[in-house]
Amino acid sequence: KAGVTQTPRYLIKTRGQQVTLSCSPISGHRSVSWYQQTPGQGLQFLFEYFSETQRNKGNFPGRFSGRQFSNSRSEMNVSTLELGDSALYLCASSFAGGPNEKLFFGSGTQLSVL
Amino acid sequence: EDQVTQSPEALRLQEGESSSLNCSYTVSGLRGLFWYRQDPGKGPEFLFTLYSAGEEKEKERLKATLTKKESFLHITAPKPEDSATYLCAVQASDRGSTLGRLYFGRGTQLTVWP
Repeated sequence: KAGVTQTPRYLIKTRGQQVTLSCSPISGHRSVSWYQQTPGQGLQFLFEYFSETQRNKGNFPGRFSGRQFSNSRSEMNVSTLELGDSALYLCASSFAGGPNEKLFFGSGTQLSVL
Repeated sequence: EDQVTQSPEALRLQEGESSSLNCSYTVSGLRGLFWYRQDPGKGPEFLFTLYSAGEEKEKERLKATLTKKESFLHITAPKPEDSATYLCAVQASDRGSTLGRLYFGRGTQLTVWP
């Protein structure tokens, strides 16, 4: 069974640009969550999608957005990039995102903003 | 205010030297406490879920325990391949929606040398 797949693996962008990251969850998983990981803050929750609907959202500015498609694949978009957006962006999937469900993580997209 | 605190930040052990990692949490309404392992350049890999005080789980050289305020990850006779960052995360009902959301500690970077 294939794991969570994230593309691209690495991205280099400049300030002010926008970026789109992609995530394919484990087959059969309908919940997709996104996390930002930085050395200073650790893993911070961005948002969670289920059946194409955002059900939960962390404390990030509106520049961070996402969506989910009918096949459960998800994309995350960051507009007007800032230097502080440089981070590892992790996608995680679970069957339904419910209480006590463990999350399965992808290898992440390493974003560098210059 | 950090809800999940891990200690130590870094730990160096000689092969075969057993030790414990600590994860303390301040949330109430704990739904579950999760341990993950993260290797460089990869996403977190699930190890254990603990649900209630007194619960213990084991996997190879790892044993996780849970009390009302903290969890321990005991590593018995570690090997160099156990070197990784170990992350603790909680899901709590007193922090709004739990859907797809875990609160992570900063992790303990474990190095086991031969």
